[in-house]
Amino acid sequence: NAGVMQNPRHLVRRRGQEARLRCSPMKGHSHVYWYRQLPEEGLKFMVYLQKENIIDESGMPKERFSAEFPKEGPSILRIQQVVRGDSAAYFCASSPRTSGPISYNEQFFGPGTRLTVL
Amino acid sequence: SQKIEQNSEALNIQEGKTATLTCNYTNYSPAYLQWYRQDPGRGPVFLLLIRENEKEKRKERLKVTFDTTLKQSLFHITASQPADSATYLCALAGGADTGRRALTFGSGTRLQVQP
Repeated sequence: NAGVMQNPRHLVRRRGQEARLRCSPMKGHSHVYWYRQLPEEGLKFMVYLQKENIIDESGMPKERFSAEFPKEGPSILRIQQVVRGDSAAYFCASSPRTSGPISYNEQFFGPGTRLTVL
Repeated sequence: SQKIEQNSEALNIQEGKTATLTCNYTNYSPAYLQWYRQDPGRGPVFLLLIRENEKEKRKERLKVTFDTTLKQSLFHITASQPADSATYLCALAGGADTGRRALTFGSGTRLQVQP
């Protein structure tokens, strides 16, 4: 039973280019979360998605960042026109579907994608 | 604004001793609290979850307490081992007032267990 998979593990982009980060949740999980971790800082929530729906994007910058979780295929976090400040580790997590407004389940994290903007 | 504080200084202890890590929060009414472990270059790994109506939770050598009056959680590792050396993250999820599933993390406390 494979865990959360993220690719690429390392991504180097020049300023102004686009970065595409992919996340395949654990089998049977329908909730995906993206977090960003800057050097020497904690994890910051960016966006929470279910299949074909963005549930909560309150942590995602309004410009240049977008996320999707299509019916088929992985979740994708897209950063357009990257800047040096986007350099960070981006983690994806997944959790299983639960009923009710509060999910008491733990989140399973992938290994992260380390983005470096030159 | 909501704030989660963990001791930013590294905690150094001798093997065999009990490590105690603290997580304090303000302006928050979490439904539950989680603790994760993160090793360098890796994603966080879930350790324990404690709900707002629970005082204490145990799992093997780990123990978590949750005091919603003090707005504090303590995380204990008994009989610590060098392999326990890592960064430990406290995470909260929204309560009835927000209904948010996404986690808010503290900045973590680095634990170093000396042999």
